[in-house]
Amino acid sequence: AQSVTQPDIHITVSEGASLELRCNYSYGATPYLFWYVQSPGQGLQLLLKYFSGDTLVQGIKGFEAEFKRSQSSFNLRKPSVHWSDAAEYFCAVGGSDYKLSFGAGTTVTVRA
Amino acid sequence: DAGVIQSPRHEVTEMGQEVTLRCKPISGHNSLFWYRQTMMRGLELLIYFNNNVPIDDSGMPEDRFSAKMPNASFSTLKIQPSEPRDSAVYFCASSSSGGYNEQFFGPGTRLTVL
Repeated sequence: AQSVTQPDIHITVSEGASLELRCNYSYGATPYLFWYVQSPGQGLQLLLKYFSGDTLVQGIKGFEAEFKRSQSSFNLRKPSVHWSDAAEYFCAVGGSDYKLSFGAGTTVTVRA
Repeated sequence: DAGVIQSPRHEVTEMGQEVTLRCKPISGHNSLFWYRQTMMRGLELLIYFNNNVPIDDSGMPEDRFSAKMPNASFSTLKIQPSEPRDSAVYFCASSSSGGYNEQFFGPGTRLTVL
């Protein structure tokens, strides 16, 4: 069965600083990987996705993620965070069936 | 294009009452998912439909919960009778068969059962 671990429950970062959110997955074959963002009171919005090809993928809002098969990781990065990036971030993995397995989420707080 | 539409956005009801949540998926999407999100349990998949047919309802917590998809553009999730522990945010998501599992989420319905 597929699963996702997001080791960090909460991260606080200063505005303008870089951000990296960790995601480790478990899946027996080539996974489909996603990062979603959820702002307070909102639904989940897709930031970026990896299916195949270039292991560094670019997403919306200046985010990028790198797929590392050897480490079973798909970490999310942003070079310079904005106050509007304060939200909860979910990593998800999918495969040959319909399901997405979501991590528990990482809450990002941005301080001025 | 309109995204996934859910109604109502907020629902407050009393224990024992019937609650019906509604979802309109993105046009052309043939898969629909109902999720429940709570602080304690995170995001849980309740049920999955493909081409209007329930494929996996193993996440439905108990018989008080039921879901239907009478056509490709409408689904309901019903709780009868409701209990305080059902209080949560319920999300509907849809995807297309060629979308590599990419799911598009609605804004959610925040349910409070008193």
